[in-house]
Amino acid sequence: ETGVTQTPRHLVMGMTNKKSLKCEQHLGHNAMYWYKQSAKKPLELMFVYNFKEQTENNSVPSRFSPECPNSSHLFLHLHTLQPEDSALYLCASSHATSGGETQYFGPGTRLLVL
Amino acid sequence: QKEVEQNSGPLSVPEGAIASLNCTYSDRGSQSFFWYRQYSGKSPELIMSIYSNGDKEDGRFTAQLNKASQYVSLLIRDSQPSDSATYLCAVKGSNDYKLSFGAGTTVTVRA
Repeated sequence: ETGVTQTPRHLVMGMTNKKSLKCEQHLGHNAMYWYKQSAKKPLELMFVYNFKEQTENNSVPSRFSPECPNSSHLFLHLHTLQPEDSALYLCASSHATSGGETQYFGPGTRLLVL
Repeated sequence: QKEVEQNSGPLSVPEGAIASLNCTYSDRGSQSFFWYRQYSGKSPELIMSIYSNGDKEDGRFTAQLNKASQYVSLLIRDSQPSDSATYLCAVKGSNDYKLSFGAGTTVTVRA
């Protein structure tokens, strides 16, 4: 297993469902990120974790709930989502959140909310 | 004003030509700049990072940075059909660790 992995790769859910996205990094990094990518829009940063501590919540609705049990794993718990939440959700990791550290992205989870 | 702006594209170039991608940013204190390539349906992958004024070359790719003009560009020489993708400019702000992304420029290389 290499780099940053994400599961599931595709997810279809109803507005009343609860699901979780999982991200795992095998790069020895200390910082992990969740991004949302909607069609024709720039990547939107959602959450940042640095050494398992959440250091950024970019005004994300509470129907998105992140969890970072350790520096290698990151989850995004989803509940009562809206159709406009349909997007590509990308996880990324880097060595640290300071300086010019490069972020490496996972393959993403393509989410469709019906 | 958007934090990071890219030429909107799409950009179509013939095979073998130079593709020129431009990016401007609003945070004058920014120190770290990145170009990512994203194929359709895939995640972004890092192509280049640049931190100092001037040019940085890596194979067929050259990144150019001018902090005074708040401008960073990417040149793709000898463009190949495999270079057809969306290119994202990302800038790390001066006071935090967040990456701000541009909306991307879609490049199509015509065979």
